[in-house]
Amino acid sequence: DSGVTQTPKHLITATGQRVTLRCSPRSGDLSVYWYQQSLDQGLQFLIQYYNGEERAKGNILERFSAQQFPDLHSELNLSSLELGDSALYFCASSPLGQINTEAFFGQGTRLTVV
Amino acid sequence: AQSVAQPEDQVNVAEGNPLTVKCTYSVSGNPYLFWYVQYPNRGLQFLLKYITGDNLVKGSYGFEAEFNKSQTSFHLKKPSALVSDSALYFCAVSFPYSSASKIIFGSGTRLSIRP
Repeated sequence: DSGVTQTPKHLITATGQRVTLRCSPRSGDLSVYWYQQSLDQGLQFLIQYYNGEERAKGNILERFSAQQFPDLHSELNLSSLELGDSALYFCASSPLGQINTEAFFGQGTRLTVV
Repeated sequence: AQSVAQPEDQVNVAEGNPLTVKCTYSVSGNPYLFWYVQYPNRGLQFLLKYITGDNLVKGSYGFEAEFNKSQTSFHLKKPSALVSDSALYFCAVSFPYSSASKIIFGSGTRLSIRP
């Protein structure tokens, strides 16, 4: 158990809908990272938050947004969903904003858009 | 552009034989290098990292990796493969002095160990 909790584990929704994925980082970790893993594109970095503030942004679509709350949990919001958004979404956490240590990954949320 | 490459989509090894999973990177400066493993329906698990110092890094489950600055490589190795090593392996790079601190992952290599 990595200590990172992601909910829900599975999510099935229709095109055009909006969903929220939740991540609770390890106790004490200030950084949260979101990744998308799809079969044809590997693991893609979406966005990072550090202590409530956005720190880095990767290949995140404008239809997607995220935030980190004062209690350090994070939510990834996906809207106007398309079939191509079906993927495994991972959250990871680490103690610091600068990566000099490993990140700890949750077990992911599998999103299926039908 | 900063990138990480895992040139092999799949590596097949017989149990008991040595294994190597290749990783090369293209970055400026001195990155931090990582290997992660992903078992089916699980999140990524950290195996080992190179920050500085000895080029040979030892990690979990008997894995090790060798940092080669001149070849910009960080290959994962194990002297004797186990069937239980079969999984998806990711090489990753982070840039500690970049304004965009993030981890970039390679495309992954599926390691298959046959009995």
